[in-house]
Amino acid sequence: KQEVTQIPAALSVPEGENLVLNCSFTDSAIYNLQWFRQDPGKGLTSLLLIQSSQREQTSGRLNASLDKSSGRSTLYIAASQPGDSATYLCAVSGRDKIIFGKGTRLHILP
Amino acid sequence: NAGVTQTPKFQVLKTGQSMTLQCAQDMNHEYMSWYRQDPGMGLRLIHYSVGAGITDQGEVPNGYNVSRSTTEDFPLRLLSAAPSQTSVYFCASSGAGVGEQFFGPGTRLTVL
Repeated sequence: KQEVTQIPAALSVPEGENLVLNCSFTDSAIYNLQWFRQDPGKGLTSLLLIQSSQREQTSGRLNASLDKSSGRSTLYIAASQPGDSATYLCAVSGRDKIIFGKGTRLHILP
Repeated sequence: NAGVTQTPKFQVLKTGQSMTLQCAQDMNHEYMSWYRQDPGMGLRLIHYSVGAGITDQGEVPNGYNVSRSTTEDFPLRLLSAAPSQTSVYFCASSGAGVGEQFFGPGTRLTVL
């Protein structure tokens, strides 16, 4: 059974710092991995999708990597801003099902 | 395109009442799914569908029914609501199997 873990559960960093969020999964037979952002009381916004054959994806200040063999993905946020404060979720897709981690709650201090 | 839409946004039910949460997408996506989100539990998959006429259970299917008569719509039915079903419910869709997921805005359900 696939299990997805995100560490840390919460993180506070000063504005301007680069930071890394971690996601690990137990079954390496995945189709893709997706990172989402969720603001309080809102839905999920897709940030990056990495197919199983890819190693990384980039969008603006965000870079996500995938290492299937070790069951890990990281989301790198460069030059963090207060507007980046949100909960970040990773989701791992198998053949038919998507399993989510519980998220990392990020707070960027002005 | 409207993307994924969900109605209603908020709902309060009494224990034992039934209701249907609506989900629709206009992207011609084959894959649709329902999640519930609870504090400390993250998002958990309730039911999913890989195409019209095909549905299957996720992690937490008990107390919920689904059907998929069209590509566009994937309603979630609560036959006899229980307080344990108080949650925020999200519908999602994707093309090409479990590709990039697009989420609806959610329905906040309270069962008294």
